[in-house]
Amino acid sequence: AQTVTQSQPEMSVQEAETVTLSCTYDTSESDYYLFWYKQPPSRQMILVIRQEAYKQQNATENRFSVNFQKAAKSFSLKISDSQLGDAAMYFCAYRSARGSQGNLIFGKGTKLSVKP
Amino acid sequence: DTGVSQDPRHKITKRGQNVTFRCDPISEHNRLYWYRQTLGQGPEFLTYFQNEAQLEKSRLLSDRFSAERPKGSFSTLEIQRTEQGDSAMYLCASSLVWGSGDRTDTQYFGPGTRLTVL
Repeated sequence: AQTVTQSQPEMSVQEAETVTLSCTYDTSESDYYLFWYKQPPSRQMILVIRQEAYKQQNATENRFSVNFQKAAKSFSLKISDSQLGDAAMYFCAYRSARGSQGNLIFGKGTKLSVKP
Repeated sequence: DTGVSQDPRHKITKRGQNVTFRCDPISEHNRLYWYRQTLGQGPEFLTYFQNEAQLEKSRLLSDRFSAERPKGSFSTLEIQRTEQGDSAMYLCASSLVWGSGDRTDTQYFGPGTRLTVL
């Protein structure tokens, strides 16, 4: 069974600085997807970024980028130029590429605080 | 743009009562997922539908839980004989999958229904 581990329950960053959130996962599959979701205090989950395992290039979305290390099964999220609105819970998630398994497997999350 | 909506947003019930939640997915999304999230945890998968068909159920989905998506649009999740351990946020997500192209399956979440069982 696949698992996702986020080892940092809480992180803090100064506004305008850069922060990296860690995520590791365990799987025996070679084809899968990885995601970072943001859950602000209002609790609606928002997709931040996704990565296909077959792609070597790291995904980037504006101030958000990932460091995907397939061999190490590591998938960290870097937030550059942090803003107050980035404060939220961040969840790393895994999804198999097999057609019969559409569900996401989430880590426990990292609570990010942004200091003004 | 109408995202995923869920109703009610909050539900307080007494132990032993039945409750039903509704999820309206993004229009034309053919997949619909249910997750449960307890405090301090990430969401856990419960079940999902592709159109009307319920394709997968987690072992977390006990016999007291049932989900339907009768016309391939909205879905309901019913919990019978609620227990205090059922207290959680119930999240719904939807996605659009083209044919067998699961590579496009990005899930969009609703705001959730918070259930409190007294």
